[in-house]
Amino acid sequence: NAGVTQTPKFQVLKTGQSMTLQCAQDMNHEYMSWYRQDPGMGLRLIHYSVGAGITDQGEVPNGYNVSRSTTEDFPLRLLSAAPSQTSVYFCASSYSGKHTEAFFGQGTRLTVV
Amino acid sequence: SQQGEEDPQALSIQEGENATMNCSYKTSINNLQWYRQNSGRGLVHLILIRSNEREKHSGRLRVTLDTSKKSSSLLITASRAADTASYFCATDRGSYGNNRLAFGKGNQVVVIP
Repeated sequence: NAGVTQTPKFQVLKTGQSMTLQCAQDMNHEYMSWYRQDPGMGLRLIHYSVGAGITDQGEVPNGYNVSRSTTEDFPLRLLSAAPSQTSVYFCASSYSGKHTEAFFGQGTRLTVV
Repeated sequence: SQQGEEDPQALSIQEGENATMNCSYKTSINNLQWYRQNSGRGLVHLILIRSNEREKHSGRLRVTLDTSKKSSSLLITASRAADTASYFCATDRGSYGNNRLAFGKGNQVVVIP
């Protein structure tokens, strides 16, 4: 049981480049989310999804796009990378309903130069 | 604004001692959760307390919730070197459950063998 798998683990981008961070889960969870973690800031929600075909913005969505074509996958796209997007990105998934725990991937450390 | 704000403590304790950390939040919640993050890794769920609960135990963990003060505390008893990590509280305010967590900034705990 792999849980939540994120790829790549590390990435360096040049300003203006685009890329997609991959997230896949094998637990048949309905809910999936993307967070970014910056030093001293805790985790902040970027985008989330309550099921295939349904996504919505979180706290810091600007500069990012998501889609959810399958239950398993929830990719995060950086449209035109900026140094301010240097961060560690975490994908999480959970069952639907209240009072369920979130399962996190190991993170993608992104540096934009 | 970010919900869930721990006292920004960096605790350094001896193995066998207890560690206590606090979290406050601003609005109504469905539940409050605590997560652990080891250096460079993803977050791992520790315990969840619902808004109608006041105290919960799980192994060496004890969580309290005071909704009138909008605060929570996490107690780790008889600490071990393996408890060295950052601890985050997160609140769930979403209408449908655990899809929009608001995290605090985290507490770094170092347990000295």
